Amino acid sequence: DAKTTQPPSMDCAEGRAANLPCNHSTISGNEYVYWYRQIHSQGPQYIIHGLKNNETNEMASLIITEDRKSSTLILPHATLRDTAVYYCIVRHFNDYKLSFGAGTTVTVRA
Amino acid sequence: KAGVTQTPRYLIKTRGQQVTLSCSPISGHRSVSWYQQTPGQGLQFLFEYFSETQRNKGNFPGRFSGRQFSNSRSEMNVSTLELGDSALYLCASSLEGAQASPLHFGNGTRLTVT
Repeated sequence: DAKTTQPPSMDCAEGRAANLPCNHSTISGNEYVYWYRQIHSQGPQYIIHGLKNNETNEMASLIITEDRKSSTLILPHATLRDTAVYYCIVRHFNDYKLSFGAGTTVTVRA
Repeated sequence: KAGVTQTPRYLIKTRGQQVTLSCSPISGHRSVSWYQQTPGQGLQFLFEYFSETQRNKGNFPGRFSGRQFSNSRSEMNVSTLELGDSALYLCASSLEGAQASPLHFGNGTRLTVT
């Protein structure tokens, strides 16, 4: 699997957009970008995934650069409940498992 | 739609005992995977089941085993427990094991071995 690089931590003000960057410079054509988050003592929560096009769902937006070497997860209006560790994962479409890195600890402040 | 349900939520066992953890996947999901999460090792893949068959296995000793039933529910068993088995055990389900279907996780079973 291609490796990802994320900042270890970031703060965000409540009500503002949170932009979480991820580098995956060695991603191959058959690999998707997935985002999960994990709130303390809970299981990882699926947020969104994409291949090359930008994606949006009720939770977030995923912006993938044209060369696919990096992406940004956007939480449009961060709330205190969005405080969590966010994981950016690259996964081959045929992979049966996920490999999580260290992730980004996001703290939303009132 | 109900999410992935894992029972029990917490378990305390002593060394040498065995334990069985249960997982009910999202309705319609036929693939079930198990992961172990510890602060030191992060999330590690245990095994994956599809249609009652183990399709993939991680690098864990034979003390860790599992099975899947015809209704896609799955159980994981750990025999001869060791202190190092203390961890959060997570179950995840997906429509298929691959083909880019996202995995959806339960909230896990927190196992403490004393």
